[in-house]
Amino acid sequence: DAGVIQSPRHEVTEMGQEVTLRCKLISGHNSLFWYRQTMMRGLELLIYFNNNVPIDDSGMPEDRFSAKMPNASFSTLKIQPSEPRDSAVYFCASIRHESGNTIYFGEGSWLTVV
Amino acid sequence: SQELEQSPQSLIVQEGKNLTINCTSSKTLYGLYWYKQKYGEGLIFLMMLQKGGEEKSHEKITAKLDEKKQQSSLHITASQPSHAGIYLCGADGINSGYALNFGKGTSLLVTP
Repeated sequence: DAGVIQSPRHEVTEMGQEVTLRCKLISGHNSLFWYRQTMMRGLELLIYFNNNVPIDDSGMPEDRFSAKMPNASFSTLKIQPSEPRDSAVYFCASIRHESGNTIYFGEGSWLTVV
Repeated sequence: SQELEQSPQSLIVQEGKNLTINCTSSKTLYGLYWYKQKYGEGLIFLMMLQKGGEEKSHEKITAKLDEKKQQSSLHITASQPSHAGIYLCGADGINSGYALNFGKGTSLLVTP
């Protein structure tokens, strides 16, 4: 089976531009997590969904960030407008509750805002 | 939220040497997870511990959870260059819906 698939893998954008990161869950998984990783703060949970419903978005830094899960297999994380401090690696992860407690991570989207 | 402290922050060991990475929680752990990350890649699941005193091994890596369920250690025996990377411990809470909080990681370099 394919793992968690993220796109784009790398993005460089100018300050003020809109950024959309995409994630495709592993087939059959029913929870999705968005994380952000920086040198200073490590790996931070931004938001997670269970069965397409956002459960906890307390980690979303500002109103500039929004996440959606339009169907059971796909999610987007949008930053509008982007700022240089948003530069980080954004990870998507998923899990299927019934099969145990292993969360699988995507390869990450490396975002640089200049 | 649960705070996880990892030590050391970074480690350089000679190939063949043993090493230990620690993860300490501010609260009793419900589930403790160890992941490995190579530069530029995602996190790879290593092991999960839930019971006090539990110990699991995979190849040359052994993870333990103390009886009080507030500290875990990851031990690598006879390290190899392939063990290099960032090791992260993560923990979930009873009501966290499997969402994990992570420590800041331990960077491991294994020299020939």
